[in-house]
Amino acid sequence: DTEVTQTPKHLVMGMTNKKSLKCEQHMGHRAMYWYKQKAKKPPELMFVYSYEKLSINESVPSRFSPECPNSSLLNLHLHALQPEDSALYLCASSLIGAETQYFGPGTRLLVL
Amino acid sequence: KQEVTQIPAALSVPEGENLVLNCSFTDSAIYNLQWFRQDPGKGLTSLLLIQSSQREQTSGRLNASLDKSSGRSTLYIAASQPGDSATYLCAVRPEGGNEKLTFGTGTRLTIIP
Repeated sequence: DTEVTQTPKHLVMGMTNKKSLKCEQHMGHRAMYWYKQKAKKPPELMFVYSYEKLSINESVPSRFSPECPNSSLLNLHLHALQPEDSALYLCASSLIGAETQYFGPGTRLLVL
Repeated sequence: KQEVTQIPAALSVPEGENLVLNCSFTDSAIYNLQWFRQDPGKGLTSLLLIQSSQREQTSGRLNASLDKSSGRSTLYIAASQPGDSATYLCAVRPEGGNEKLTFGTGTRLTIIP
């Protein structure tokens, strides 16, 4: 299994809603990542988890809350988002210290 | 702060032509450089990865080169096909074991049948 899955594929939420994005991989990767990608822009790193511990937080607003409950799962909890947070949210995973990151298909988020 | 630039931002070529995509980075202290493709609204697919000690890597019709000292990489696509149409992104990983990738601005490639 060389796949990273993300759910949901699409999400529409209001600014007062609470929702969660989910990412899963079964490749034994112990590094997992969240990226945000705006239209026609490159992905921007948000968070990195290594061995289920947060290792990098790229100064992301607290309305985004990551969680890594086990070595296969990565969640991104969303609360009180703004319309400018609308974007494609990509999850990736890799072996620790390895080069290649494997990306999921993304969740397209629209905040109204 | 590392900055990665790709020129051109968009490129259209007739099917069958060979083409070159460019990637420039400002900080040569990189661990490796990776080329990805991204189809519209989709995730990223890794194409080639070049270690900082390597000069080039090849996979099928794709060849990537790296000149670390000058901060440049190229992706050469031979005998282009309509299925090659996508956005191509390069990304650099810094020295020191940091997992962070810094992505380039991307080149949107269209192959005209």
